[in-house]
Amino acid sequence: QVQLVESGGGVVQPGRSLRLSCAASGFTFSSYGMHWVRQAPGKGLEWVAVISYDGSNKYYADSVKGRFTISRDNFKNTLYLQMTSLRAEDTAVYYCAKVGCSSPNCHFDFWGQGTQVTVSS
Amino acid sequence: SYVLTQPPSVSVAPGETARITCGGNNLGSKSVHWYQQRPGQAPVLVIYYNRDRPSGIPERFSGSNSGNTATLTISWVEAGDEADYYCHVWDSTNHHQVFGGGTKLTVL
Repeated sequence: QVQLVESGGGVVQPGRSLRLSCAASGFTFSSYGMHWVRQAPGKGLEWVAVISYDGSNKYYADSVKGRFTISRDNFKNTLYLQMTSLRAEDTAVYYCAKVGCSSPNCHFDFWGQGTQVTVSS
Repeated sequence: SYVLTQPPSVSVAPGETARITCGGNNLGSKSVHWYQQRPGQAPVLVIYYNRDRPSGIPERFSGSNSGNTATLTISWVEAGDEADYYCHVWDSTNHHQVFGGGTKLTVL
């Protein structure tokens, strides 16, 4: 069965960096685009970034563009999110999500359980 | 950027029908997906491409999309349906994904 397991979260000071990982199993990872979605405490879902199945295309939310970098290693079946210049407003649970098809207007058919990132001095 | 608007809350009694709306400009021309998120859990897909149901999702869950409004309908509501529900679309103008603000469904 599909499994997505995020890791790398923690408490970090403003301005510092953190790298999140999402280990995938149960499907052909190299065939699917992947997303990061976050959820601030008590708030709704906010899309963060997407990477195509082969890593050739990446898009970012305006709130993280220039600070976050999404990447993937199809040999290790792992998705990454490198976060730099972190701000208090980046505090959230970060989920990785798998797309259910190959078109850009696709749904997210599986989600990880999330990893908590807290930005605080 | 594209905006999706959901009511913050909807309340229904057990056995009744809950209708959760999602509004957006010319939303009927887009494909809308819906997710259920129970407290402390990750979101779960309940409807995709406006009206399709993933395997394992009860037939009580249905969706529609026309004009400026998409609707998630939950028939014969049960206590276990109490959760936050989010609509989701792709904004083709900037390749961004957009979520509605979420609707908290309370089963009275």
